[in-house]
Amino acid sequence: VLTQSPGTLSLSPGERATLSCRASQSVSSTYLAWYQQKPGQAPRVLIYGTSNRATGIPDRFSGSGSGTDFTLTISRLEPEDFAVYYCQQYGRSLYTFGQGTNLEIK
Amino acid sequence: EVQLVESGGGLVQPGGSLRLSCEVSGLTVSTNHMNWVRLAPGKGLEWVSVINVGGNTFYGDSVKGRFTVSRDNSKNTVFLQMNNLRAEDTALYYCARDRGGDGYSHFDYWGQGTLVTVSS
Repeated sequence: VLTQSPGTLSLSPGERATLSCRASQSVSSTYLAWYQQKPGQAPRVLIYGTSNRATGIPDRFSGSGSGTDFTLTISRLEPEDFAVYYCQQYGRSLYTFGQGTNLEIK
Repeated sequence: EVQLVESGGGLVQPGGSLRLSCEVSGLTVSTNHMNWVRLAPGKGLEWVSVINVGGNTFYGDSVKGRFTVSRDNSKNTVFLQMNNLRAEDTALYYCARDRGGDGYSHFDYWGQGTLVTVSS
């Protein structure tokens, strides 16, 4: 099970966002990804293997963590960053998504 | 350019069946792990099923025994047969490609989804 916190995060453009994903069992850092989903759009992968940015993802997005605790950081929020974010583990038990963090404009 | 196009969604009564299709271009379904993921109203993403490169199939606990994933290599299409549908199966169903080769990995290509509504 992956538990994301907070459920909702209210911030302003230009601020730093820190999203958490906690696993009920240890996850290899190779097998943790983050996705962004906006209304009416398919999810988009941001980070894979805990800290690798996917193609075309701006460097304001970064991932870190190990074991059971993982973090997605957005260094300076842009207006287009307000969306729902999901973590995902893959490999053990195939695939599991966290319940999501809604990043909203304050 | 890679494209995944889902179809087959619609309104169905509880206990009914639907067959979803995911027509793929730009990559070959038989050499990729192909997945179904759903997004229910007010909920988060839920992994539904995978058909892997070897043709083996796996399912999430909530659909096991009711859903069946398959593929037609000649049509480069993946299917999801959904039987005994319940209200809680109402969701937008996405097809997604697993980026991995030998093992499983993240999903890098997604379709736009097809909506399934289970209601009387």
